[in-house]
Amino acid sequence: EVQLVESGGGLVQPGGSLRLTCVASGFRFRSSAMSWVRQTPGKGLEWVSSISGSGDLTHYADSVKGRFTISRDTSKNTLYLQMNSLRASDTAVYYCAKDPRSSSWGVFDGWGLGTLVTVSS
Amino acid sequence: DIRMTQSPSSLSTSVGDRVTITCQASQDIRNYLNWYQQKPGKAPNLLIYDASNLETGVPSRFSGSGSGTDFTFTISSLQPEDIATYYCQQYNNLPITFGQGTRLEIK
Repeated sequence: EVQLVESGGGLVQPGGSLRLTCVASGFRFRSSAMSWVRQTPGKGLEWVSSISGSGDLTHYADSVKGRFTISRDTSKNTLYLQMNSLRASDTAVYYCAKDPRSSSWGVFDGWGLGTLVTVSS
Repeated sequence: DIRMTQSPSSLSTSVGDRVTITCQASQDIRNYLNWYQQKPGKAPNLLIYDASNLETGVPSRFSGSGSGTDFTFTISSLQPEDIATYYCQQYNNLPITFGQGTRLEIK
């Protein structure tokens, strides 16, 4: 059974940093591209970033480019999202999601439960 | 960015009804269109991928069709457990984008 468990969310002040972690199990982690998708009540679902199975290809939404970094550690079956220079507009539930393919993304066939990030002073 | 426009935004339905949701892309996305179901407090769940392919384990009352810019999602006979919000999502171009969602309610 596919399991994705996010952690690392919390309350942070504007300009601060957080690192989200997603531990994966139940599938071949290195064979799956992985993504972060966030959700706010006002803006709905928003794709944030994706990384290929090998980790050598990454993509970012313009809204987070230059501030967020996606990475993965295949030896630990873990996906990360380093978030710097956080803004109030980054407040959301962050989901990690898996893709059935290694080097393309966009079919999210498994999701974690999400972790809430709140950016506020 | 490709804009995905879902219609309607909400729908009041009854058990046993045939439910149809449409999704229009602002430009041609071929068949790179997925449909997700999300229940309150839960993560989205993939139902249909590549416009018309039923994800493994998803009941056959769910179906999808379309290509290019116009897509349709159908529940042939609504069941109580289908009350949720449904989203379309394109992945033909980056950034990946979602529709705003269609919320189903019971009459």
